[in-house]
Amino acid sequence: DIQMTQSPSLLSASVGDRVTITCRASQSISSWLAWYQQKPGKAPKLLIYKASTLDSGVPSKFSGSGSGTEFTLTISSLQPDDFATYYCQQYNSYPRTFGRGTKVEIK
Amino acid sequence: EVQLVESGGGLVQTGGSLRLSCAVSGFTFTNYGMTWVRQAPGKGPEWVANIKEDGSEKNYVDSVKGRFTISRDNAKNSLYLQMNSLRADDTAVYYCARDLTGASDFWGQGSLVAVSS
Repeated sequence: DIQMTQSPSLLSASVGDRVTITCRASQSISSWLAWYQQKPGKAPKLLIYKASTLDSGVPSKFSGSGSGTEFTLTISSLQPDDFATYYCQQYNSYPRTFGRGTKVEIK
Repeated sequence: EVQLVESGGGLVQTGGSLRLSCAVSGFTFTNYGMTWVRQAPGKGPEWVANIKEDGSEKNYVDSVKGRFTISRDNAKNSLYLQMNSLRADDTAVYYCARDLTGASDFWGQGSLVAVSS
């Protein structure tokens, strides 16, 4: 199985900060990577697929990059609604696997 | 409006069975593969299984192979997950989700499955 390693696991930041989350795959997954945002008690929400394509309706302050084994999710200016947990997921091969998540909290 | 609504969760004893259903609306069901993802309390999501648009291909995570069966009824716009020989580590919120070239773009609200001894 492909292991997905996210860092950091916890990120403390302020409103207006630019933040970057990293996701590393244990083997190449080309660009078959998605990023999700999850808030407590809610289902994950797709933000980005194919490493850098924004899902419909997702604001452009979110951006994704990378290919192969290293990927990043950047939020350009944190707003109160962005404090949540973020997960990466590879869909290059089965089983699809998720990272353990990065919780973005208010500093 | 795309909607996915899970049902069928509940409390079951170890070794028991449950069948989850996911009723979908707002899109052409036969055009999309579908996925089940679960999330144990306090943990990240875990992909469980998926099924192609016509049901011709199914994939499972190893931990549920031989115990869980994913299926769909395209005439009823419904997705199912039959879960047998349930174990304590199957306790989770189970989500159905629509496949977007492999990612999951729409999710249901989730159905809680609790397995107790």
